[in-house]
Amino acid sequence: QSVLTQPPSASGTPGQRVTISCSGSSSNIGSNYVFWFQQLPGTAPKLLIYRNNQRPSGVPDRFSGSKSGTSGSLAISGLRSEDEADYYCAAWDDSLNGQVFGGGTKLTVL
Amino acid sequence: QVQLQQSGPGLVKPSQTLSLTCVISGDSVSSNSAAWNWIRQSPSRGLEWLGRTYYRSKWYNDYAVSVKSRITINPDTSRNQFSLQLNSVTPEDTAVYYCARVVGLTSPHFDYWGQGTLVTVSS
Repeated sequence: QSVLTQPPSASGTPGQRVTISCSGSSSNIGSNYVFWFQQLPGTAPKLLIYRNNQRPSGVPDRFSGSKSGTSGSLAISGLRSEDEADYYCAAWDDSLNGQVFGGGTKLTVL
Repeated sequence: QVQLQQSGPGLVKPSQTLSLTCVISGDSVSSNSAAWNWIRQSPSRGLEWLGRTYYRSKWYNDYAVSVKSRITINPDTSRNQFSLQLNSVTPEDTAVYYCARVVGLTSPHFDYWGQGTLVTVSS
């Protein structure tokens, strides 16, 4: 059972905009930054969004993040077939004194 | 460019010790701005942070509550690497294990990852 809650699946057609939610609590998202990772099959997770809404160099601006209260959100606009992957949110948890992850959302591009 | 190269056995018997090593290139295990982590991933537990080692004038270790009694993470400055030891393993410890660098101490800014090692716990 993951500390952060994500929907297990999401889908969209090419060109669409999809959002993935991440729900936490006051001890993690409520008081710390939200991070997002993309994981393609057979590979390690890749940092996609840091500090709620910042993109590392090389990440397309089609990917954006936001945070409100104890929830975070990842939006992907102009959906492409190569965006089909698993997406994970993460945050520091002050009560657990450690990093926590969401259970992951499998994105399917129809 | 930072690279992390993992090594270690892919099969461990129940009750024995799981041992993995992560060799760092392009950075130092003694960095004053990074921390060096172990994370695992399994279908049943998802992504799970296990612990970290870092240097801030002296060495520190932090471990996840779920494995705190069984885990040791050690830095090796002579080889610029760090290791994971997980004792008394059970089939529940079967997972892909990753090492990863994090920038800062209170955020999951995992910017570089190892390639992952599938460890199966089975007799």
